[in-house]
Amino acid sequence: AQSVTQLGSHVSVSEGALVLLRCNYSSSVPPYLFWYVQYPNQGLQLLLKYTSAATLVKGINGFEAEFKKSETSFHLTKPSAHMSDAAEYFCAVSDLSGGSNYKLTFGKGTLLTVNP
Amino acid sequence: KAGVTQTPRYLIKTRGQQVTLSCSPISGHRSVSWYQQTPGQGLQFLFEYFSETQRNKGNFPGRFSGRQFSNSRSEMNVSTLELGDSALYLCASSLGQGLDTIYFGEGSWLTVV
Repeated sequence: AQSVTQLGSHVSVSEGALVLLRCNYSSSVPPYLFWYVQYPNQGLQLLLKYTSAATLVKGINGFEAEFKKSETSFHLTKPSAHMSDAAEYFCAVSDLSGGSNYKLTFGKGTLLTVNP
Repeated sequence: KAGVTQTPRYLIKTRGQQVTLSCSPISGHRSVSWYQQTPGQGLQFLFEYFSETQRNKGNFPGRFSGRQFSNSRSEMNVSTLELGDSALYLCASSLGQGLDTIYFGEGSWLTVV
């Protein structure tokens, strides 16, 4: 069974600083990994996804993530934080046991605060 | 292209009542899945429907049920509501094949009093 661990339920950075949100996964099969963002009172928006094509994945809003199999990690980074990045971020792994991406297993989420 | 639409956005129900939530997927998407989000348990998978058939189910009691119509629209129903059912219920849609992306709606906020 798949699982996801997000280290740090709350991360606080200054505007312009590096953003690093950590995600480790456990999967018995090659994983397909995702990062979603949730703004207050909204649903989940896909930031980026890893589907084995490239280990460094670029997403929207300047975010990127690197898949490291040896570390079972898929950390999310952004070189320079903006106030509008304040939100909750979720890492997820896909369950492909049925042959299609029908179910996501999510981490507990990391709340990102950006200070002016 | 319209996104995933969920109705109602907010509702308050009393313990013991039942509730029905509705979801319209992105046009052309045949898979609809439902998730429950709570502060304590986070995001948990409820079930997934594909072409009107429940294809996968999470670990929730039988009070939670759903269905999908021929136009891919889906409803989920929770009967005999409990206080612990208070949550954000998220609907998501996808093509339902291969590694396609799952897109989420804005959710329905259910408060049980």
